[in-house]
Order: sequence, then structure tokens, then C-alpha cells
Amino acid sequence: EAGVAQSPRYKIIEKRQSVAFWCNPISGHATLYWYQQILGQGPKLLIQFQNNGVVDDSQLPKDRFSAERLKGVDSTLKIQPAKLEDSAVYLCASSLSDSPWKQYFGPGTRLTVT
Amino acid sequence: EDQVTQSPEALRLQEGESSSLNCSYTVSGLRGLFWYRQDPGKGPEFLFTLYSAGEEKEKERLKATLTKKESFLHITAPKPEDSATYLCAVSNMDSNYQLIWGAGTKLIIKP
Repeated sequence: EAGVAQSPRYKIIEKRQSVAFWCNPISGHATLYWYQQILGQGPKLLIQFQNNGVVDDSQLPKDRFSAERLKGVDSTLKIQPAKLEDSAVYLCASSLSDSPWKQYFGPGTRLTVT
Repeated sequence: EDQVTQSPEALRLQEGESSSLNCSYTVSGLRGLFWYRQDPGKGPEFLFTLYSAGEEKEKERLKATLTKKESFLHITAPKPEDSATYLCAVSNMDSNYQLIWGAGTKLIIKP
């Protein structure tokens, strides 16, 4: 079966610019997650969707980050404006509703903010 | 505050040299503890789920164990392809399986 797809794989922007990341989860996976992973750290959950509804966005910096999940399938994460500290890998993951602990991750997007 | 601490940060072993990675956790009520493997440039890959103290899970050269305060990932006779970062995460009873992650242990197996 196809895995979680993410694009782009790499992005370099200047601070105060905007950027968007795209994720296509595994077919049939109702739950979708966006994580931020800073070098040398574990992933940090930004937002969790169940179908097209938000389950948890408590750690999402809402003044600059936004996310949506169109029709309960693909999702987009946006940062506007970017800060230097946003440099990280942004991981998308998906899971079945009845096994949320078994998350399938995409390859991530490495963002560098200069 | 729920917290996960992994040690050591990095571990270098010779091929065939067995060892263990540690994951210490503090959580209000443990729903589950999870081990993932992460290769460079890739997302984490699920390995094991442990729910209660005394539980053990095995997969090839890996065995995960759980106590009330920590989990160990034992690696027996490792091979170079076992080189990766091993991440530990926990979920508490109050959350909807939201995972709290440790920083990982980078394991390097030299041929």
C-alpha cells in the first residue's frame, strides 16, 4: 500500500515569508497529524485531525500557523510569517481510528528559515 | 507534567555487541508506551506498543520491556542495519492517544 506522501521535501525561505506544506495520508486513515521535529529532539504534535475536524491544536502557534484538511483526506500546513525558530522538519502522519498509537509517517519536509 | 527521557543520547556498538536503550517516563496515568525507529531523512516507523508493567514484545533482534517507571529496548547481536535513532513515546489516560515523545537514542552499529 502507498505510504504517507509529503511535499515539498525541502524548502528554504527568508524570515517573514510564508510557506505551505502538503500531506496525503494513507487511504482510509481517518486520523491525520502534523508534527514539528527540531534537530536532536523528538516530534512535537502541532495539530491532530479526525476526518476533517480538529481534535487537538493546543500546541499550534495560531498567530502564525494554520492547517486544514480538505474533505477529510489531504491536508495543508501553512506558516505565515516564518521565524528563524521555525526551522525544523515537519512530519505528517496518519492512523486508523481504532489504532491511533500506530502512526504511519511521511518522509517530512525540511524547512530552513534564513 | 508528562515527560519522557531517553538515555544515552548516542550509543556506538560493534556488530554483535548486545546492549540496552533506556526510556524513563513520568505520566499521570499510562495508557501506553510506544517505540519507534527513525532512519535519517525519514519519518519514524512504529515498532512496539507496551501497556502494563511486566509486558515484553520482541521483533527480530529487538526486545522491549516495561516497568512502572521505565522501558528498555534490548538489542541482541546487532547488525549495521540496526543503526538508527530509536524514539520512545507515551500516552496518558487523559489524552486521545496523543503521544509525548522523547528525544531519542542514536544507535550506531560498526561492522
